Amino acid sequence: DAKTTQPPSMDCAEGRAANLPCNHSTISGNEYVYWYRQIHSQGPQYIIHGLKNNETNEMASLIITEDRKSSTLILPHATLRDTAVYYCIVQRSNSGYALNFGKGTSLLVTP
Amino acid sequence: DAGVTQSPTHLIKTRGQQVTLRCSPKSGHDTVSWYQQALGQGPQFIFQYYEEEERQRGNFPDRFSGHQFPNYSSELNVNALLLGDSALYLCASSLGGRVRRTDTQYFGPGTRLTVL
Repeated sequence: DAKTTQPPSMDCAEGRAANLPCNHSTISGNEYVYWYRQIHSQGPQYIIHGLKNNETNEMASLIITEDRKSSTLILPHATLRDTAVYYCIVQRSNSGYALNFGKGTSLLVTP
Repeated sequence: DAGVTQSPTHLIKTRGQQVTLRCSPKSGHDTVSWYQQALGQGPQFIFQYYEEEERQRGNFPDRFSGHQFPNYSSELNVNALLLGDSALYLCASSLGGRVRRTDTQYFGPGTRLTVL
């Protein structure tokens, strides 16, 4: 599975959009980009995933560049409850086994 | 709420003891994966169970073993506990199927194990 690179920490003002970047320059054609988040001492929460096209759900939007070497998770209107560690994970479509979590990005949403 | 339940919530053991952690998957899911998360680190994959068999294993010693029951629930057993086994143990369920494929894993709240 391709390795991902994320900034260790980011801040965002409440009500503003939070844009969390992820680099995955070695991603291959059959690998998906997954995003999870983990609020302190809780289990990771699935947010969204995608292969090539941009994706949107009730939680967030996922923008994947055309070359697929990077992606951005967008929380359109961040709230204090969005403060968490966000993990970007690349996983092969035919593996479906281990999720390789890195260190993620610690997002702090401030009032 | 992902629908995955784990018990107990917290557990304190001493070195050398054995521990059993339990997980019930989300309704409709047939695959259970276990992860260990040390303080300040991301979760690390231990193993995955499907059809009552271990299907994939991470880099963990044989002291870590598991079991899956016909109702898809699962147990994680750790023998000869070490101080370094203190961590949050996470269970994730998914719909694995007979063919390897990516299916979203949904995590439970975890069991906090402290080894003294």
